[in-house]
Amino acid sequence: DTGVSQDPRHKITKRGQNVTFRCDPISEHNRLYWYRQTLGQGPEFLTYFQNEAQLEKSRLLSDRFSAERPKGSFSTLEIQRTEQGDSAMYLCASSLDPITEAFFGQGTRLTVV
Amino acid sequence: DAKTTQPPSMDCAEGRAANLPCNHSTISGNEYVYWYRQIHSQGPQYIIHGLKNNETNEMASLIITEDRKSSTLILPHATLRDTAVYYCIVRVAAGANSKLTFGKGITLSVRP
Repeated sequence: DTGVSQDPRHKITKRGQNVTFRCDPISEHNRLYWYRQTLGQGPEFLTYFQNEAQLEKSRLLSDRFSAERPKGSFSTLEIQRTEQGDSAMYLCASSLDPITEAFFGQGTRLTVV
Repeated sequence: DAKTTQPPSMDCAEGRAANLPCNHSTISGNEYVYWYRQIHSQGPQYIIHGLKNNETNEMASLIITEDRKSSTLILPHATLRDTAVYYCIVRVAAGANSKLTFGKGITLSVRP
């Protein structure tokens, strides 16, 4: 395991469909973060977990978004009833603790048509 | 978290030092300064972080002013592969606000 892994790398979906993304953090990293990035902007925080506990959610995370980290290892981010405005790069990051650096995955690029 | 201010872009010649400035005038005593960069179509990559003292690693040096209200990231010998968006972030070490909050960053273009 050499880094944070995200799957899929690309997803094209029709408006109204549900999508689920997966993130596998670096082993033993207890913190896991989800971000969203649109063109020309920096990544925007969505939510983070410490082990299996979801400790903070951004107001950007509407009721259509849900994230889980059931066993404190991998995490999933689900978007229900996708809208065109959900088109973005979804990034996952993990860190060992609050101070050490966070390592980011390559992201999942979502296109809603 | 305190906000940071960075110029939108800068360029430098390959082989020269790139000095990237960042203002964080409202930084609190328990907030660290972090730098990340993002090369096109990749996830952000950690570069360096510091609290009060200057820091150096294999990628860069971080110079923090004595009043901690600004900092400079130095890439000592920029290469074409250093062309990227560089984000300066201030962040508390622990607790509910320990997430990284990204701004728009500064786009560094390294020219041949």
